[in-house]
Amino acid sequence: DQQVKQNSPSLSVQEGRISILNCDYTNSMFDYFLWYKKYPAEGPTFLISISSIKDKNEDGRFTVFLNKSAKHLSLHIVPSQPGDSAVYFCAASAIRGDNRKLIWGLGTSLAVNP
Amino acid sequence: EAQVTQNPRYLITVTGKKLTVTCSQNMNHEYMSWYRQDPGLGLRQIYYSMNVEVTDKGDVPEGYKVSRKEKRNFPLILESPSPNQTSLYFCASTSQLGRKAFFGQGTRLTVV
Repeated sequence: DQQVKQNSPSLSVQEGRISILNCDYTNSMFDYFLWYKKYPAEGPTFLISISSIKDKNEDGRFTVFLNKSAKHLSLHIVPSQPGDSAVYFCAASAIRGDNRKLIWGLGTSLAVNP
Repeated sequence: EAQVTQNPRYLITVTGKKLTVTCSQNMNHEYMSWYRQDPGLGLRQIYYSMNVEVTDKGDVPEGYKVSRKEKRNFPLILESPSPNQTSLYFCASTSQLGRKAFFGQGTRLTVV
């Protein structure tokens, strides 16, 4: 059973507009969340993270929002650029639990059209 | 430059022929992992290591072996590869479990 779900396999947006990628989780023990970006023929690269003690973290054009009551997080990219076209993975971990490994979503493929 | 290096990047082999995919990191990280990525299944952890000589199974360990004799290296061994091990493999390292991990470029393995 998928503990981290990215329900949209793909997303297409126009350059300059906002991209919103969503991620839902089921395990209430998760207390740390990460977003990774992956280009074809490359390994995933870390993008941004958020701890459960926060509800927002911002880094340049990238902002992650966490809604713990809804067990939902989202990644906002503003403004979107063609170079942002990639697969985005959401991951979660439970630092205080026995299992501290990263649990991954299946990814959302973002296409930013010029 | 901080990096995780995997070799080879591409490999085509035949069923049953033993192979090793190497992984090396230069960040002095204690924790290293191997993942496979398959369409519709995302990233699945094969094995991980918490330190030298300390390894443990991930979610899909069947058909794989690993070793951690040195901190920087974490090779993935397929003793008798089968076609269902055709996949894209990634090695990763981190200084803290559950936190930011650095990934290698990936190894595209095809077993025929």
